Amino acid sequence: GAVVSQHPSRVICKSGTSVKIECRSLDFQATTMFWYRQFPKQSLMLMATSNEGSKATYEQGVEKDKFLINHASLTLSTLTVTSAHPEDSSFYICSAREGGSDGYTFGSGTRLTVV
Amino acid sequence: GNSVTQMEGPVTLSEEAFLTINCTYTATGYPSLFWYVQYPGEGLQLLLKATKADDKGSNKGFEATYRKETTSFHLEKGSVQVSDSAVYFCALSEGNQAGTALIFGKGTTLSVSS
Repeated sequence: GAVVSQHPSRVICKSGTSVKIECRSLDFQATTMFWYRQFPKQSLMLMATSNEGSKATYEQGVEKDKFLINHASLTLSTLTVTSAHPEDSSFYICSAREGGSDGYTFGSGTRLTVV
Repeated sequence: GNSVTQMEGPVTLSEEAFLTINCTYTATGYPSLFWYVQYPGEGLQLLLKATKADDKGSNKGFEATYRKETTSFHLEKGSVQVSDSAVYFCALSEGNQAGTALIFGKGTTLSVSS
């Protein structure tokens, strides 16, 4: 079945630095990928929809200059958390969907801790 | 807009008890409905899905029926196991275009004790 690989699984960074999270579709082409953020004991909040070769579409309230999304190829989307602060600490999950399918595949998530 | 509402947790059960987690949705059209499970420290796994009214999704002893008249997709299992302890998310998507995101409920934590 479809596999989405997300790296790193855990990252600890210092406040003020930037962190890049990668999401790859391993056996299918993902023209669209989705980035979610999950707070402790809460639901997944859709942050943005990443479209290959074009700008990402951000949900209301998500800072596009803070959370940079790049989808340069049909198999790779990246989320960069810029100038990270402790409040950015969270679990970030990517998801991809093959066109015409109602199946979504999720990455295993990235636990970001900003100290 | 589209939304999903699921029962507040946590749900605490003894092994072999009957499980129901309620889920209702609001959608403008005819969404596909999903249940995802998240085990501690892991990502999301699809548990089951239904794509049209009256469809029943089932997997690993879990079932849910797409009820259009009550806009519901309640998750049930006849006899839970300790290994079922996890967070369960109800979700919907409208349309099968690649650019349609899943909308999630808040999640329900299930804890099963032996």
